[in-house]
Amino acid sequence: QQPVQSPQAVILREGEDAVINCSSSKALYSVHWYRQKHGEAPIFLMILLKGGEQKGHDKISASFNEKKQQSSLYLTASQLSYSGTYFCGTDSGGSNYKLTFGKGTLLTVNP
Amino acid sequence: GAGVSQSPSNKVTEKGKDVELRCDPISGHTALYWYRQRLGQGLEFLIYFQGNSAPDKSGLPSDRFSAERTGESVSTLTIQRTQQEDSAVYLCASSLVGLAGEKQYFGPGTRLTVT
Repeated sequence: QQPVQSPQAVILREGEDAVINCSSSKALYSVHWYRQKHGEAPIFLMILLKGGEQKGHDKISASFNEKKQQSSLYLTASQLSYSGTYFCGTDSGGSNYKLTFGKGTLLTVNP
Repeated sequence: GAGVSQSPSNKVTEKGKDVELRCDPISGHTALYWYRQRLGQGLEFLIYFQGNSAPDKSGLPSDRFSAERTGESVSTLTIQRTQQEDSAVYLCASSLVGLAGEKQYFGPGTRLTVT
């Protein structure tokens, strides 16, 4: 089943923060976050494995709540380059290596 | 090093024609995935290859879709008798061994338009 992302779209001014959520109705093993700019391939951001971990680099970080079956991506002090569509992909582990992606969140950062 | 490459980058075809889309994975990656992305939608899993194992075809939407992979290298996705609903971007990804939780590297995609 497809994870649900929220919000569907968000508009920010440069320097503002945003949170993108990804929720699943299934038990999750891992959550993958990608950013895709129009007409380009998805770019890998990070993977979070079950265990409630949190990851981050620069001003982009994410958390994974295994019990709630959800992950959140945090973008702080947004830059123009952060604009794009953010996708979460989930898998249930074991032999289930297939990623199921959400519909994406369109993030627009304006000057 | 070289990333995942796909060809052609764009393909326009008439309804009813067959098309072949090609993917060259990262050298040494044993796992290869095909996804479909319709306009404004997320990525939809189509098929998965891992080494010499039988491919997981569970995501193929109809028997008009098929894919092959030569060893651990090039893969070809074939769509027969194309329909307008096949119009989408077809993305290929590869990963080192294909385990759950493993990073997938995506190619730039092939934009297919069926007229």
